[in-house]
Amino acid sequence: AQKVTQAQTEISVVEKEDVTLDCVYETRDTTYYLFWYKQPPSGELVFLIRRNSFDEQNEISGRYSWNFQKSTSSFNFTITASQVVDSAVYFCALSEARGGSGNTGKLIFGQGTTLQVKP
Amino acid sequence: KAGVTQTPRYLIKTRGQQVTLSCSPISGHRSVSWYQQTPGQGLQFLFEYFSETQRNKGNFPGRFSGRQFSNSRSEMNVSTLELGDSALYLCASSSGTGGVYNEQFFGPGTRLTVL
Repeated sequence: AQKVTQAQTEISVVEKEDVTLDCVYETRDTTYYLFWYKQPPSGELVFLIRRNSFDEQNEISGRYSWNFQKSTSSFNFTITASQVVDSAVYFCALSEARGGSGNTGKLIFGQGTTLQVKP
Repeated sequence: KAGVTQTPRYLIKTRGQQVTLSCSPISGHRSVSWYQQTPGQGLQFLFEYFSETQRNKGNFPGRFSGRQFSNSRSEMNVSTLELGDSALYLCASSSGTGGVYNEQFFGPGTRLTVL
């Protein structure tokens, strides 16, 4: 069965600190997709990144970076020089690509990590 | 371009009643997915619709149902409400044929409280 584990329930840092959010996943599929979403207090989930199982290249987008390691089934997210506006709940999610065609929008979410960035 | 809209934003019902939630996807999007978010269970997939057809369904009882109209708007219905149905219900839409190839855009959700 597919599963996503975010072991860190809450993290609190001081502004400008770097912070890494951990995500470990389980799947039997060889083709799958991994996602990170941000949920601010307003409740709306904001898409951050999608990575497919064949692309292990790390990615950097501004202060955000992602480290995907198939060997350890992990897809960790790092925020560099955190800011108060980064305070939110962050979700890691997994989706199978049914039959390899990717025609399913079903996401399996982790429990989320609440990040509090203090000024 | 307007985002995903969900109505109503807040709803209070009593046990045993039924409720209908509405989701209007981004213009041009034909795929709509629904999720339930609770403190205990987290975010759980309810259903996915594409071109008026249910393409995928999560592990929820038959009290939870949904549909999609020809204009891609979607509704979900919960009958015989239980206290445990209190949750934030999120709708997401995506372009193309939907699925994981296309980014899912989420709406602000409907907060349902069952008393």
